[in-house]
Amino acid sequence: SQQGEEDPQALSIQEGENATMNCSYKTSINNLQWYRQNSGRGLVHLILIRSNEREKHSGRLRVTLDTSKKSSSLLITASRAADTASYLCATGPGTASKLTFGTGTRLQVML
Amino acid sequence: GAGVSQSPRYKVAKRGQDVALRCDPISGHVSLFWYQQALGQGPEFLTYFQNEAQLDKSGLPSDRFFAERPEGSVSTLKIQRTQQEDSAVYLCATRGLDTEAFFGQGTRLTVV
Repeated sequence: SQQGEEDPQALSIQEGENATMNCSYKTSINNLQWYRQNSGRGLVHLILIRSNEREKHSGRLRVTLDTSKKSSSLLITASRAADTASYLCATGPGTASKLTFGTGTRLQVML
Repeated sequence: GAGVSQSPRYKVAKRGQDVALRCDPISGHVSLFWYQQALGQGPEFLTYFQNEAQLDKSGLPSDRFFAERPEGSVSTLKIQRTQQEDSAVYLCATRGLDTEAFFGQGTRLTVV
């Protein structure tokens, strides 16, 4: 069963614009991770935010976590065509444990 | 190798055929996970190994699915008597003691 649900399911933007994707989950978590998936490179880890953190940055990525609402958001700033991919959130009860994924947001960045 | 390697990348099997999917982990990675990803869905957990020990197989959908990692390195996921609903991408992921999970490219299985 899927733990998280991403919103929107699909997003289409112009290059240079920002993209925001949201993830909601159901149970208590230790951490939440965001992954990017495309046919060329498979599933790639982007960023991990722990349950005691509220915001984290990595390059053009900004992730927020609201444990009271059981939700997270991923912001990609100044998007590029190469950012075109599906973005999935995943949760786990511990850093060494199995992950439970959402269904993903399909992002298309147009030139 | 530099990353997690899975083979074959693509497999077409006739219904009822047995298949074996291989995962070569990153050297030294203790934990190994198998996931199944149906079209349009996120990956779903199948089973987990720590070294050669299979610690969690709660996600295996039926007794036709079997996984092993006899020497704590390479792992094989075997599906017996394949059925059409087994068609999916099978992903292997490994992680070290204090690293995130690294995923292979997956094996796309099509049962016809």
